[in-house]
Amino acid sequence: DAGVIQSPRHEVTEMGQEVTLRCKPISGHNSLFWYRQTMMRGLELLIYFNNNVPIDDSGMPEDRFSAKMPNASFSTLKIQPSEPRDSAVYFCASSLAGSNQPQHFGDGTRLSIL
Amino acid sequence: GESVGLHLPTLSVQEGDNSIINCAYSNSASDYFIWYKQESGKGPQFIIDIRSNMDKRQGQRVTVLLNKTVKHLSLQIAATQPGDSAVYFCAENISGGYQKVTFGTGTKLQVIP
Repeated sequence: DAGVIQSPRHEVTEMGQEVTLRCKPISGHNSLFWYRQTMMRGLELLIYFNNNVPIDDSGMPEDRFSAKMPNASFSTLKIQPSEPRDSAVYFCASSLAGSNQPQHFGDGTRLSIL
Repeated sequence: GESVGLHLPTLSVQEGDNSIINCAYSNSASDYFIWYKQESGKGPQFIIDIRSNMDKRQGQRVTVLLNKTVKHLSLQIAATQPGDSAVYFCAENISGGYQKVTFGTGTKLQVIP
């Protein structure tokens, strides 16, 4: 079975540019999560969708970050404009609905902003 | 210059020995706990979970123990193999409402061949 698929795997761009990260959750999962992982702060939840609706975006750092889920099989995380401090590995995860369900992670996008 | 970041505790274990990774969780209202394994360059991978109405759960070569009195969780890996080398995270969740999992900072397991 296909797991969570993220693209691109690596992204290097100059500050000020727009960055779009993509995620395809596991089919049948209706909860989707975006995380950011850095050496300084570890794994941080950015936003959580349930049935394509954003439920909790309190972890989104600032207005430069936005996330969408236009349908059950696709989500994007956008940074505009990007800054060097946004450099991190960004993970998408999905799970079945309800509490007490493990999340399944993609292999992440390693983002470097120069 | 010196890099500053999270200091990951490291556990070094001889191949074939048993490993025990410990985790202290913070929220007494948490009632669902998960262990994840993260290998270099990959996302966290689900290993095993446990609900708060249990104090022990076993999987293949892994056992999770839960002590709610002292808010402590442990992961035991039997007959540790080189492929077990990774960073291990515990995560806690509060049931009800929506799912919001809080991850610990992780423990690095190094298996010595």
